[in-house]
Order: sequence, then C-alpha cells, then structure tokens
Amino acid sequence: SQTIHQWPATLVQPVGSPLSLECTVEGTSNPNLYWYRQAAGRGLQLLFYSVGIGQISSEVPQNLSASRPQDRQFILSSKKLLLSDSGFYLCAWSGSTQYFGPGTRLTVL
Amino acid sequence: EDKVVQSPLSLVVHEGDTVTLNCSYEVTNFRSLLWYKQEKKAPTFLFMLTSSGIEKKSGRLSSILDKKELFSILNITATQTGDSAVYLCAARRDDKIIFGKGTRLHILP
Repeated sequence: SQTIHQWPATLVQPVGSPLSLECTVEGTSNPNLYWYRQAAGRGLQLLFYSVGIGQISSEVPQNLSASRPQDRQFILSSKKLLLSDSGFYLCAWSGSTQYFGPGTRLTVL
Repeated sequence: EDKVVQSPLSLVVHEGDTVTLNCSYEVTNFRSLLWYKQEKKAPTFLFMLTSSGIEKKSGRLSSILDKKELFSILNITATQTGDSAVYLCAARRDDKIIFGKGTRLHILP
C-alpha cells in the first residue's frame, strides 16, 4: 500500500531564515505530487504540483519554491521566510483520490 | 476560473441532529468530487463521487452528486461529538484538485 511521509512534524523558524520541507512517497511510481498550505481557519491552498522528476507547476507566486529531485521525493523550500509563511503544510499524491501526508506545522516568528 | 464553494462556513448543532453540508463547483474538465474530514491534522478521505444521483454511504455519513447543477451534499445523521471537524469538499480535474474553504462543524453534547 502507498504511504506518504513528511518531516518535520513541527517547525518554528525566525523570519528571514531558510526552509526545507521534505516529502517522500512509498508504494507507487511516478505519482503526481502536490504541496498545499493551510493557514489557520482557512481552506487548502495549492502551492505546487509535479507530474514528474524536474517538472514543477507553481500555482501562487511567492517566496517559496519546490523541487522534485527523485520520482518519489518532493521538496518545498524558501530562502527567506516571511511571517505570512506560517501555516500547516501538506504534501499529497494523487491516485484515484488524493492522499495526504501527516503535515508540517510551521510557525515563523 | 475554477472554484469550489462550500456552505455554510460554520455550523453548530446539538448531538443527535442531522446536518447537510453543501458544495458547489465550477471546474473545467471535471473528473470527480471528493469529501474529506479534517480534525487537527491532515484531511482523511470520506467519499469520491463521479456519477450523478448515486448516493454513497458510510455509516451515518452519505453523499450525493448532481453533475447537472454542479453541486454535492454531505449528510450526517444522528451526529455525535466525534463528528466535530472541518469538512472539505474538492473537485478533481485532469491535473489537480481544487479545494473549498471547508465547513467547520461543531457538535454540542
């Protein structure tokens, strides 16, 4: 069966610091992968999605970037975090439906 | 522009009541309609609907899709405090899934 891993679970970072969140998927090959952000009390905002290695589509222009160095690895990065980057970050892969990882709760202070 | 609109945004009922959550969508290349339940962490999958008029049931939860009128409803009968959560509706198109903002449901004991 397919499993999706995200780490870390919780992260507190100062404004201006870099960010790297990692997501890996097991049990499937060539998955479509997604990064979402959920601000407190709000819906899921699609940030990036990828249909294959090195292929990234950005939905929202901002100071975040994504990379897919391997088939089952998806990384979300920032060079300098902003306060507005705080939120709950979810990685997901798409089969018949969409399956979510456990999420990373990021607080930028 | 693709969009998914959920209503109400928030709902408070007493235990034992029946609730109906609404979801309307406007999505090009529509494939399916998804419902998720989100408590404190990542959303968990409830239903996937692809055909109009066919009710899907899981215990006290049921859902139906109307592809002509472009909406879906999620019903919860005999609500319990454990049903308290944010319920997310999402429309899947060819390459990605668009989420609504969710309905926050709170069940009073």
